[in-house]
Amino acid sequence: GEDVEQSLFLSVREGDSSVINCTYTDSSSTYLYWYKQEPGAGLQLLTYIFSNMDMKQDQRLTVLLNKKDKHLSLRIADTQTGDSAIYFCAEIPPGNQGGKLIFGQGTELSVKP
Amino acid sequence: ETGVTQTPRHLVMGMTNKKSLKCEQHLGHNAMYWYKQSAKKPLELMFVYSLEERVENNSVPSRFSPECPNSSHLFLHLHTLQPEDSALYLCASSQDDGELFFGEGSRLTVL
Repeated sequence: GEDVEQSLFLSVREGDSSVINCTYTDSSSTYLYWYKQEPGAGLQLLTYIFSNMDMKQDQRLTVLLNKKDKHLSLRIADTQTGDSAIYFCAEIPPGNQGGKLIFGQGTELSVKP
Repeated sequence: ETGVTQTPRHLVMGMTNKKSLKCEQHLGHNAMYWYKQSAKKPLELMFVYSLEERVENNSVPSRFSPECPNSSHLFLHLHTLQPEDSALYLCASSQDDGELFFGEGSRLTVL
């Protein structure tokens, strides 16, 4: 099927680490993405990982990729209240052009002070 | 500011109305997209235009009619919609297969 699965909610305390998980569908997907949607806004590309990588770190963000299990995670270190948003995992299955991303349902991250 | 502007930001319409959503991109991209975002559901790709030609139509009902008069503008014409069509409609653009840049969306409510 073409379902990218995410849990719907995550609540953490400010300063803690957040880990958002995603299971994608096609182990041949070349790129996997994390998008962030703040309240009342569109989606913004947060980070991405190429399928030949296991990990990518970008400041407070760490992306882990387990191709065998088709599992992608986004870790946010030292989570701040400004990180409260919906986070979408997305993939481009083989044969799809760049814009034809398959998105998950989104994980709503709530950061409590 | 992502360079993709959508208007109106909010729209309420009756089932017999005809309205249009507009998207304009200022990024010089050659591809534009309409996505539908419903609560707690994955984003659904509706239409893709590349170089002003429609290259994708994901089984969208005919009550949604896209129009791309040039590479900077994209419209979604709405006619006799149903309440279940209420959603956030997101426009995006890209240069070829590059990164998608999204607008802030048009929140549609069908009464």
